[in-house]
Amino acid sequence: TQLLEQSPQFLSIQEGENLTVYCNSSSVFSSLQWYRQEPGEGPVLLVTVVTGGEVKKLKRLTFQFGDARKDSSLHITAAQPGDTGLYLCASPGGTSYGKLTFGQGTILTVHP
Amino acid sequence: GAVVSQHPSWVICKSGTSVKIECRSLDFQATTMFWYRQFPKQSLMLMATSNEGSKATYEQGVEKDKFLINHASLTLSTLTVTSAHPEDSSFYICSALRGPWEKLFFGSGTQLSVL
Repeated sequence: TQLLEQSPQFLSIQEGENLTVYCNSSSVFSSLQWYRQEPGEGPVLLVTVVTGGEVKKLKRLTFQFGDARKDSSLHITAAQPGDTGLYLCASPGGTSYGKLTFGQGTILTVHP
Repeated sequence: GAVVSQHPSWVICKSGTSVKIECRSLDFQATTMFWYRQFPKQSLMLMATSNEGSKATYEQGVEKDKFLINHASLTLSTLTVTSAHPEDSSFYICSALRGPWEKLFFGSGTQLSVL
């Protein structure tokens, strides 16, 4: 099973600040997904990256996939209190695309 | 868009009783569903893969006799926590795979509290 190292584990920042969350593995990702989860809810898919070097943007969120497909980052510009939540990276493992291995998660708190 | 419904959203039960959690794909057929467990402020841990018409595949360390999974139809998988104990208290989340594009959809989770 592929291990995903996610950092930092906790992030507490003020509104308007920028932040970056990292997801790394010692082996190559076939693809990588980023999710956001709020308390008492299931995770919601933000993006899927597949190609090495790929950059995707979703409003104030920028997702990068490393050239070697062993690492990925999520950058949030001008964070807002509504960005507060648990951010998870995940990668398919085994024989099924749906069998995801998740990173440890990053709990982000954005203070007004 | 596709929706996965999970029921109940929360349940409180006494120690020693069994609890059944349902995961339904509302507008697509899901031959494969997945069950995850999540403790507070932690990530999701895969418990088992549920395949329609066949036995579930459990991850290492997950007791199959304690966490019974049944995937009797293409739209429903159930997880039964048998003889629940306080340490089984957790957030349980299912996901369903929609083919042939293999898009994955998550349920909204079930918070189980065992007293």
